[in-house]
Amino acid sequence: AQKITQTQPGMFVQEKEAVTLDCTYDTSDQSYGLFWYKQPSSGEMIFLIYQGSYDEQNATEGRYSLNFQKARKSANLVISASQLGDSAMYFCAMREGRTNFGNEKLTFGTGTRLTIIP
Amino acid sequence: NAGVTQTPKFRVLKTGQSMTLLCAQDMNHEYMYWYRQDPGMGLRLIHYSVGEGTTAKGEVPDGYNVSRLKKQNFLLGLESAAPSQTSVYFCASSYSLLREAPPHEQFFGPGTRLTVL
Repeated sequence: AQKITQTQPGMFVQEKEAVTLDCTYDTSDQSYGLFWYKQPSSGEMIFLIYQGSYDEQNATEGRYSLNFQKARKSANLVISASQLGDSAMYFCAMREGRTNFGNEKLTFGTGTRLTIIP
Repeated sequence: NAGVTQTPKFRVLKTGQSMTLLCAQDMNHEYMYWYRQDPGMGLRLIHYSVGEGTTAKGEVPDGYNVSRLKKQNFLLGLESAAPSQTSVYFCASSYSLLREAPPHEQFFGPGTRLTVL
């Protein structure tokens, strides 16, 4: 079974609108972390936001917020007031387990290509 | 700080040739990783290291070897390249989970585009 599922291969959004990128995950661990990364056309991977499984509040970083619904095992990225520079691939990733050896790895989803339309 | 650097940026190999990709980080990170990125498949972990002299297999280790002789460097080797190893390779590094508070995000290098003919 896929551990990280991103069901939207591509999305087109009008500039200045808000956009939600979906991510669902599968784990039996109680302790885990969820990450979102951005990959612009230049290719580098840029860390955007993190949510810990025990965090009570949804994470926010500027225009990025993470809509964390633990019971549904979803961790959707919300970008408010989208800009042309937001056009990129977006990857959801998960780290499972506590700080024990073997739990340093990230599992990535297949990504969503977001295109912002002027 | 240069962050995470990768050498080379591009490489074309013939089937059966060997090569080594070099990753260097100047952030004193304990952990280092090698990923490959293929269209429609996201990033898949090849090998990783939690400290100098230690390495472990990831999701897709076959056909690759790694070494971490120095804390700041992580080498990925292809002994006999195959067309299936055509991909973009990313190196990443992060702090130890025991040392710092979350998120322990991974910092990525710019990638190496490898083509095997």
